[in-house]
Amino acid sequence: QVQLQESGPGLVKPAETLSLTCTVSGGSISGYYWSWIRQSPGRGVEWIGYIYYRGGTSYNPSLKTRVTISIDTSRNQFSLRLSSVTAADTAVYYCARSHGGGSDYWGPGTLVTVSA
Amino acid sequence: QSVLTQPPSASGTPGQRVTISCSGSSSNIGSNYVYWYQQLQGTAPKLLIYRNNQRPSGVPDRISGSKSGTSASLSISGLRSEDEADYYCAAWDDTLSGLYVFGPGTKVTVL
Repeated sequence: QVQLQESGPGLVKPAETLSLTCTVSGGSISGYYWSWIRQSPGRGVEWIGYIYYRGGTSYNPSLKTRVTISIDTSRNQFSLRLSSVTAADTAVYYCARSHGGGSDYWGPGTLVTVSA
Repeated sequence: QSVLTQPPSASGTPGQRVTISCSGSSSNIGSNYVYWYQQLQGTAPKLLIYRNNQRPSGVPDRISGSKSGTSASLSISGLRSEDEADYYCAAWDDTLSGLYVFGPGTKVTVL
């Protein structure tokens, strides 16, 4: 059974960079697309972007200038960096496996609050 | 504001059938597959339907999806208390170099 777990700081200061890592267990990271998705009361569910296990990426155009998703296949991990954060970036952040166009395995989510 | 439109709420009594609609446009639902997710309170979304009408392993056949033109729908028959959740439709959008969009969600209440 594939399991995903997000990790990283729960509090980030405005203008700084949000960094999260997703660890995949119970299966290989190879062969799939891996996504970051966030959810907040004001913005709903928002797709941030994905990375293919070979390194190709696609980002939400509205976040593209601030987002970097990377992957470490040797550690079965992929990561999110979101720069110049504001209060609008406060959300629950999920990592997920994308297969067949949909996300079939999700992490439990981690709340990231942007506040001084 | 989402490019996909869903009713904010739907309800039914146990055993009834509930149908949730999702309306989009030619750049998303009209030209791409539709996906449906269920989110129970305090948990991550769960994939219920992929590629318009396909169920992942473990999703009961009382859950079904369909698509016609630029609209899609999710039906839950034999409604049960554990179906009370938020339901989101999603689709890839071909504008702006590709974007996976979610609907605003529909809260299903079992009366």
